[in-house]
Amino acid sequence: GAGVSQSPSNKVTEKGKDVELRCDPISGHTALYWYRQSLGQGLEFLIYFQGNSAPDKSGLPSDRFSAERTGGSVSTLTIQRTQQEDSAVYLCASSTSNRDFTDTQYFGPGTRLTVL
Amino acid sequence: GQSLEQPSEVTAVEGAIVQINCTYQTSGFYGLSWYQQHDGGAPTFLSYNALDGLEETGRFSSFLSRSDSYGYLLLQELQMKDSASYFCAVSSASKIIFGSGTRLSIRP
Repeated sequence: GAGVSQSPSNKVTEKGKDVELRCDPISGHTALYWYRQSLGQGLEFLIYFQGNSAPDKSGLPSDRFSAERTGGSVSTLTIQRTQQEDSAVYLCASSTSNRDFTDTQYFGPGTRLTVL
Repeated sequence: GQSLEQPSEVTAVEGAIVQINCTYQTSGFYGLSWYQQHDGGAPTFLSYNALDGLEETGRFSSFLSRSDSYGYLLLQELQMKDSASYFCAVSSASKIIFGSGTRLSIRP
């Protein structure tokens, strides 16, 4: 079946605007993860969902970031009042379940966000 | 604090063997994973170790020593397509932490 898809692939926005990033996980995967990757850096874990629930939101960088998941499928990551330091590639991944982050995660192609 | 250390860059020759080390300091540990990422691409899963010892998958092997908080990824019979960044990641109860990545360059 199809892999993880993300949209848009690229997003350029002006500082102060809100942006919404979308992730469609692999069908049947109950766990979904969001990461941020700055140029040449490793992955920064943001948040994960088990079903529609996000047990721990402490990884979100600030209160400008929020995420939701509905129907146990699609998830959106929203960044309000974007800042230039938010510029990065935002990656989404999904797995069949989340047994303490031990299940193989399948990554989407990412959304490259540029804040001018 | 929690941290993972891995070399930033490694260079090797096509056909050779290379080892990428990863040491970690975390509160809580369930396992060590390795991911490969080609330039401009998304990370792909390579291996996972929850117990001490060596796991082999084709040309790639991964090792874990929990007592030493240390693991490595071993790549054999290197091919040019193995040129990529390799990330180690530690899983705990509530999160997963990635290292900064090792950029592997392969020379003919």
